[in-house]
Amino acid sequence: AQKITQTQPGMFVQEKEAVTLDCTYDTSDPSYGLFWYKQPSSGEMIFLIYQGSYDQQNATEGRYSLNFQKARKSANLVISASQLGDSAMYFCAVKTSYDKVIFGPGTSLSVIP
Amino acid sequence: DVKVTQSSRYLVKRTGEKVFLECVQDMDHENMFWYRQDPGLGLRLIYFSYDVKMKEKGDIPEGYSVSREKKERFSLILESASTNQTSMYLCASSLRSDLFPPEAFFGQGTRLTVV
Repeated sequence: AQKITQTQPGMFVQEKEAVTLDCTYDTSDPSYGLFWYKQPSSGEMIFLIYQGSYDQQNATEGRYSLNFQKARKSANLVISASQLGDSAMYFCAVKTSYDKVIFGPGTSLSVIP
Repeated sequence: DVKVTQSSRYLVKRTGEKVFLECVQDMDHENMFWYRQDPGLGLRLIYFSYDVKMKEKGDIPEGYSVSREKKERFSLILESASTNQTSMYLCASSLRSDLFPPEAFFGQGTRLTVV
């Protein structure tokens, strides 16, 4: 069965600093996709970034980048130049070849002015 | 704009009631999902469907059933609501693909309280 682990229940970061949110996954599927979502206090889930298991390059989207280490089954999210609006819950998710999307327990990020 | 709409934002039901949570998407997506979200546990998959009349159990299907009679609508049913089903319920949809994105699109969530 697929499983996502996010070991940091809560994180703090100073405004304008970079922060790394950890994610490890466990899947036996040869092909899969990894996602990160953001959930602000308002509740909506916002897609941030995607990495395919066969992608050679790490994905980047603006201030977000995904540090993908396939052998370690790790897909950490790096947020550069943190902003107050980045305070939210962050969820890592894996989508397998059977279209099933599994989420991790989430990390709460607080950005300090 | 893509849209996933859940019928209620807040719902209060009594123990033992049959509860229907409705989700409609207007993106012609094949896949639809129901999750529940609890503090410290994240999102847990209850059921998903990859086609009309098709359904697959997720990680926590006990006490729930689903219905997908039309492509755009995916209903979650609590046959006999219990207090431990008090939670936030999130519906999502995505295009059918063997592997790659697009990502799942989420509804605004239904906060269900069972008293």
